[in-house]
Amino acid sequence: ETGVTQTPRHLVMGMTNKKSLKCEQHLGHNAMYWYKQSAKKPLELMFVYSLEERVENNSVPSRFSPECPNSSHLFLHLHTLQPEDSALYLCASSPSLRTARSNEQFFGPGTRLTVL
Amino acid sequence: ILNVEQSPQSLHVQEGDSTNFTCSFPSSNFYALHWYRWETAKSPEALFVMTLNGDEKKKGRISATLNTKEGYSYLYIKGSQPEDSATYLCAVSSGSARQLTFGSGTQLTVLP
Repeated sequence: ETGVTQTPRHLVMGMTNKKSLKCEQHLGHNAMYWYKQSAKKPLELMFVYSLEERVENNSVPSRFSPECPNSSHLFLHLHTLQPEDSALYLCASSPSLRTARSNEQFFGPGTRLTVL
Repeated sequence: ILNVEQSPQSLHVQEGDSTNFTCSFPSSNFYALHWYRWETAKSPEALFVMTLNGDEKKKGRISATLNTKEGYSYLYIKGSQPEDSATYLCAVSSGSARQLTFGSGTQLTVLP
């Protein structure tokens, strides 16, 4: 157990659906992240939130919309996705973005998303 | 864009064998190197974080070394066991936001 949970673990959706992925961390951390892992590719950073403010948005299409209502919760809202968005979506948290040199991140188990 | 390379991509070893794999990264603007162990359907689990040139870390049968001047890290597993089967990810933190850039991982299978 890493202290980071994600729901749902699996999600199948059509291209016209709207769904949300949820991440919760129980570690008292101040930074949270969304990563995407497509088949045979490295983990790609999508968004970074620090103290509930978005600090990074790595050229992610607007059909992905993150929300961080408090430091323990992170959502990824999905709408009008494409089949190529099918991937594993991982959430992570870390104590702080800037105070720790190492910025160790703790990961959730991921949501396996399939877009039909 | 930081380029983190891991080799080999996959590896099969017999139970009891020792093995090692490599992570290569640009040595400029380096802050830290992370090794993660990722079993299928589970969360990536942090193994080591190393920040200084010459760092060596050990946890049980697994150890790692870091050379920041030449830009590489080795992960060693001594006497591999089937439960060591997993993907081993390397990530480097750099830049003002200390973001992690991941390699593609080395998938290790230990055959009984």
